[in-house]
Amino acid sequence: AQRVTQPEKLLSVFKGAPVELKCNYSYSGSPELFWYVQYSRQRLQLLLRHISRESIKGFTADLNKGETSFHLKKPFAQEEDSAMYYCALPYGQNFVFGPGTRLSVLP
Amino acid sequence: SQTIHQWPATLVQPVGSPLSLECTVEGTSNPNLYWYRQAAGRGLQLLFYSVGIGQISSEVPQNLSASRPQDRQFILSSKKLLLSDSGFYLCAWSVLEGGDLTQETQYFGPGTRLLVL
Repeated sequence: AQRVTQPEKLLSVFKGAPVELKCNYSYSGSPELFWYVQYSRQRLQLLLRHISRESIKGFTADLNKGETSFHLKKPFAQEEDSAMYYCALPYGQNFVFGPGTRLSVLP
Repeated sequence: SQTIHQWPATLVQPVGSPLSLECTVEGTSNPNLYWYRQAAGRGLQLLFYSVGIGQISSEVPQNLSASRPQDRQFILSSKKLLLSDSGFYLCAWSVLEGGDLTQETQYFGPGTRLLVL
């Protein structure tokens, strides 16, 4: 069955430190993975998708099929990066979302 | 433990027909409730949110409406569906941890796939 896991419920880092938000998936086919971000009291927004291989707001994510992972990384965290981050896997006509990780960037 | 339910999982409706999608939450009290939509090839869009019974805020003008008749029940409706209403609808709930608006964790339901023909 399709499944997305994000092992950390809360991740706290200091401003300027590197950050990595973990995402692992289980999927029998060739996956297409997304990262969504939700800032406080704002709507969920698409952050990036692996197929476009782009960097948004300094974040990147690489699909590792061997490890079935799609970790989100940023070399230098900023306070405005504090938000909820969701990893998502579309399959067929539906989506599977991970439980989310709250990133807190401390001054 | 808390659980969120959505039904139906998939729905095919003709243009002009009414719509009613239901979302219920178990195991928590006075949650904030949300309806999102994801159209094909686009990100999730917040449609409605509710902080209490009978309190609905709409984020975008549209053909849809929402109601919250009970504390843990959130309904998405339409009187006449349009083709553009097709999409994937997600319900979510959250509680404020310690009353801090920056500590709001959202939990999503399984979603409903709506196809309007």
